[in-house]
Amino acid sequence: KAGVTQTPRYLIKTRGQQVTLSCSPISGHRSVSWYQQTPGQGLQFLFEYFSETQRNKGNFPGRFSGRQFSNSRSEMNVSTLELGDSALYLCASRPEGLFDSPLHFGNGTRLTVT
Amino acid sequence: QKEVEQNSGPLSVPEGAIASLNCTYSDRGSQSFFWYRQYSGKSPELIMFIYSNGDKEDGRFTAQLNKASQYVSLLIRDSQPSDSATYLCAAVNAGNMLTFGGGTRLMVKP
Repeated sequence: KAGVTQTPRYLIKTRGQQVTLSCSPISGHRSVSWYQQTPGQGLQFLFEYFSETQRNKGNFPGRFSGRQFSNSRSEMNVSTLELGDSALYLCASRPEGLFDSPLHFGNGTRLTVT
Repeated sequence: QKEVEQNSGPLSVPEGAIASLNCTYSDRGSQSFFWYRQYSGKSPELIMFIYSNGDKEDGRFTAQLNKASQYVSLLIRDSQPSDSATYLCAAVNAGNMLTFGGGTRLMVKP
């Protein structure tokens, strides 16, 4: 079974631009979560989508948004990029999103904002 | 106070020793707990999860959960240099949201 696939692996953007990251979950997984990882803040939850609906949202500004398609693929968008948005963005999927269902992570997208 | 707390380390143990990694959580409604390992530059990979009080063993790894004390731990027996990584504790809260601690860096010295 293929794992979680994230594209692109690396991105360099300029302040003020916007960016879209893509995630394809493991086949059969309907829940997709996004996390931001930085050295100072660790892994921070952005949002979770299940069956095309946002089920949970972390404490990030509205510049961070996402969506999920009918095939469970998900995209995350960040508008008006700031230097502090430089981070590793991780996507993770799980089958049903139940409390005992572990997340499986993709390799991440490393975003650098200059 | 963060929802999930871990000592950032580094925790240094000699090869062959037992490494003990600890985690506390603040949300009493947390239902299940996961341990992930993350090598530098890589994404987190699942080691094991636990949701019942007590111990759960998987090979060299043992997870321990004490809900009364809001405490989770991971023991690694016969530690190897390849176990050197950052270990992340995560808790699923009552809202079914998975929150991670800051991670503990483990160094196993040959």
